[in-house]
Amino acid sequence: EDQVTQSPEALRLQEGESSSLNCSYTVSGLRGLFWYRQDPGKGPEFLFTLYSAGEEKEKERLKATLTKKESFLHITAPKPEDSATYLCAVHATSSGTYKYIFGTGTRLKVLA
Amino acid sequence: NAGVTQTPKFQVLKTGQSMTLQCAQDMNHEYMSWYRQDPGMGLRLIHYSVGAGITDQGEVPNGYNVSRSTTEDFPLRLLSAAPSQTSVYFCASSQLSGSGETQYFGPGTRLLVL
Repeated sequence: EDQVTQSPEALRLQEGESSSLNCSYTVSGLRGLFWYRQDPGKGPEFLFTLYSAGEEKEKERLKATLTKKESFLHITAPKPEDSATYLCAVHATSSGTYKYIFGTGTRLKVLA
Repeated sequence: NAGVTQTPKFQVLKTGQSMTLQCAQDMNHEYMSWYRQDPGMGLRLIHYSVGAGITDQGEVPNGYNVSRSTTEDFPLRLLSAAPSQTSVYFCASSQLSGSGETQYFGPGTRLLVL
């Protein structure tokens, strides 16, 4: 069964305390893995797309990496404004069917 | 560009009523999708479209209809609302660019079915 699992569910960090969020997946026909940021009451905001194992992408304090079974979102020296829920999703196709499967997210709180 | 817009922002329905959630994008994207987001669950794909005149079912299509007569618009219809359809609904559109697929989400419609 296609599945996306994110851990931890919630994470509290002090400002400047680096950490990583995990997204593990089992899916056939993977076309891409996506990271989004979601603030309360808003729609998800696109961060990264990763397509193949070994790929890495960076944006400000965020860096996303991908292996064959999981992806990590590394947050370096986070600031309070990085507080949000981070969502992982996989895009897959199978027999012409379009699948887009989201994890339940990691709620990140960065304390000043 | 306005990006992806959704109306209404909030709606209360009685069981059995019907309504249409509107979604529009001004980025000339081919792909458009509808999701619902419920507490403790990831966003779940309801229906999607790969272009005008082409739609297909996602993971949770029952109770919902869609159509795509233009590139810009992708309305979601609730035929006979049920309390189980209380949720936050997001519309999204996608493009395939040289740097990969980029998906943009609207601000959401919060639906309460009594």
